[in-house]
Amino acid sequence: DAGVIQSPRHEVTEMGQEVTLRCKPISGHDYLFWYRQTMMRGLELLIYFNNNVPIDDSGMPEDRFSAKMPNASFSTLKIQPSEPRDSAVYFCASTTPITGRTEAFFGQGTRLTVV
Amino acid sequence: AQKITQTQPGMFVQEKEAVTLDCTYDTSDPSYGLFWYKQPSSGEMIFLIYQGSYDQQNATEGRYSLNFQKARKSANLVISASQLGDSAMYFCAMRRMDSSYKLIFGSGTRLLVRP
Repeated sequence: DAGVIQSPRHEVTEMGQEVTLRCKPISGHDYLFWYRQTMMRGLELLIYFNNNVPIDDSGMPEDRFSAKMPNASFSTLKIQPSEPRDSAVYFCASTTPITGRTEAFFGQGTRLTVV
Repeated sequence: AQKITQTQPGMFVQEKEAVTLDCTYDTSDPSYGLFWYKQPSSGEMIFLIYQGSYDQQNATEGRYSLNFQKARKSANLVISASQLGDSAMYFCAMRRMDSSYKLIFGSGTRLLVRP
């Protein structure tokens, strides 16, 4: 399996622009997570899905952030409008309860810079 | 509320020696899972080892072992025979064994292996 695939790897955008981050989870994984990593706040869970349904979005910082999972193999995290304080590394991760351990497998991350 | 504490922001270890990275946690849940992840300078998050709260034996995965002391609520990672490639950030994480599968991360420890 190719693992969790995120795109783009790097994104530089101007304040006010819309940014869309993409994620393809591991095939067969029914849980998908979006995390954000910053120096100040560490790794924070933004939202997670189970079977394509958003279960908990309490970590989404503001209404400017939205996430969708239209099917089992694709999810997006959108920021509109973007602000400099959104600059961070955004990780997508997926897991399945089948193994019993449920370790999350992470993508390579998207490094977002908003100028 | 759950919390993970890693008190060592940075550590050095000599190549080929063993090193222990500390992790303490706080939870009122009787059932939970503890994880360690490695984040090298390239940025990806790599799963290392898992310990369930009801596991009788300490987990081991190759050169990694987890020193689980349930009464003290600690889950220290031990890396034996350190290698230069072990230089990275290490994160301890926890999740409840409910249906959420959400991971809560500590602030991380940066390990530098000296030749």
